Parts: sequence; structure tokens; C-alpha cells
Amino acid sequence: GAGVSQSPSNKVTEKGKDVELRCDPISGHTALYWYRQRLGQGLEFLIYFQGNSAPDKSGLPSDRFSAERTGESVSTLTIQRTQQEDSAVYLCASSLPGLAGAETQYFGPGTRLLVL
Amino acid sequence: SQQGEEDPQALSIQEGENATMNCSYKTSINNLQWYRQNSGRGLVHLILIRSNEREKHSGRLRVTLDTSKKSSSLLITASRAADTASYFCATRPGANSKLTFGKGITLSVRP
Repeated sequence: GAGVSQSPSNKVTEKGKDVELRCDPISGHTALYWYRQRLGQGLEFLIYFQGNSAPDKSGLPSDRFSAERTGESVSTLTIQRTQQEDSAVYLCASSLPGLAGAETQYFGPGTRLLVL
Repeated sequence: SQQGEEDPQALSIQEGENATMNCSYKTSINNLQWYRQNSGRGLVHLILIRSNEREKHSGRLRVTLDTSKKSSSLLITASRAADTASYFCATRPGANSKLTFGKGITLSVRP
């Protein structure tokens, strides 16, 4: 079975351009997370999808960031009018919620975004 | 703000030695998890310990949890150069809460 995949693996863009990052979760995983990781830093939560529930967008840093998920499959993270501080690795994870919150997250390899 | 805070921030040891990494958190938790990240890659889950457990083992890994001190430790015994990575603790305050990750510990194992 395939793991979580993300594309592109690397993206270089110019300041002010829009970018779209894609995440394919593990089949059957109802929960999907997006994180941002700046160089040498920890994970910064961005957004969380769980089944048909309203997404938890509490971690999105500004209205330039948005994400969508089609059912329980692919998710796209869109960053509009990119800024240099958006440069980071964007990680996606999926999970299958288990008993009493004891599920673990499976991470993709990340998309490395560089805004020039 | 970070729920979990690991220490030390960086650890360098010789191959064969044991590595101990600590994590402290602020609120009560449902469970605590440790993840590993090799340079330039995604995170990999290592071990989960529930709030009613005090110690768990998995191979060369030993995790302890002290809920009275709101702290956990990850011990890697007989370290290998391949253990070089960043290690993150992640806490889940409630069964329906999302995981919150710490900033991570960079472990270097010298051959």
C-alpha cells in the first residue's frame, strides 16, 4: 500500500505568485493535516480535515492561505501572493482516528517551497 | 504556543552510548507520541504512550511518562549512527483534540 504522497517535491516561485501544493493521503484515512516547518524549526499546525466535519482552520497564518479537500481523498493547500517568509517545508499527514484518540499520523515527504 | 517542549535542543553522543531526550508539556493529555524525522523527510511515528501508562518499550526505545510532572522521556539504548535525526514529542490533550508537536531535538550519533 502506498503511503502519503505530496507534489511537487520542490517548488521555487517568485514573490507575489500563487502556489498550489497537493497531498494524496493513505486510502481510507479520514483525517488529513497540513503543517509548515521552517528551517530548523518544529511543526506549525495549519489546518485539519476530518471526514465531513468543518475543517479546523485555526492554524492558517493569514487569509492568503487556504486549503480544500475532496471527500476523503486529495487535498490542496493554496498560498496566494506568496511572500519570502512563506519559504518552508509543507508537510501533509493522514490518520485513521482510532479508539480514544490513540491514532498515529503518517506523514508525506513534504513540499519544499522557496519564494524568491 | 507549543504544548510540548523538548530538551535538550541538540544532543551529540558516541555510537554505542544511550541517548535520553525529554519532553515537558503544559496541560493534561490523553496520550503522548514520539516521532522521528530524518533530514529532509517527513516524520515517522515511533511510539505512543497513554496517560494511564508509565513506561513502554519498543526495541531499543524506552518511553516513560510522568503525568504528575507533565513530562516524558525517550531513551534510545546502544545508539547507532543511523539514529541521527530530529526527534519530536507530540501531545494530544483530549481524545478528539489534534496532536501538537514540540520544536524537536537534534540527535547526532558519531560513529
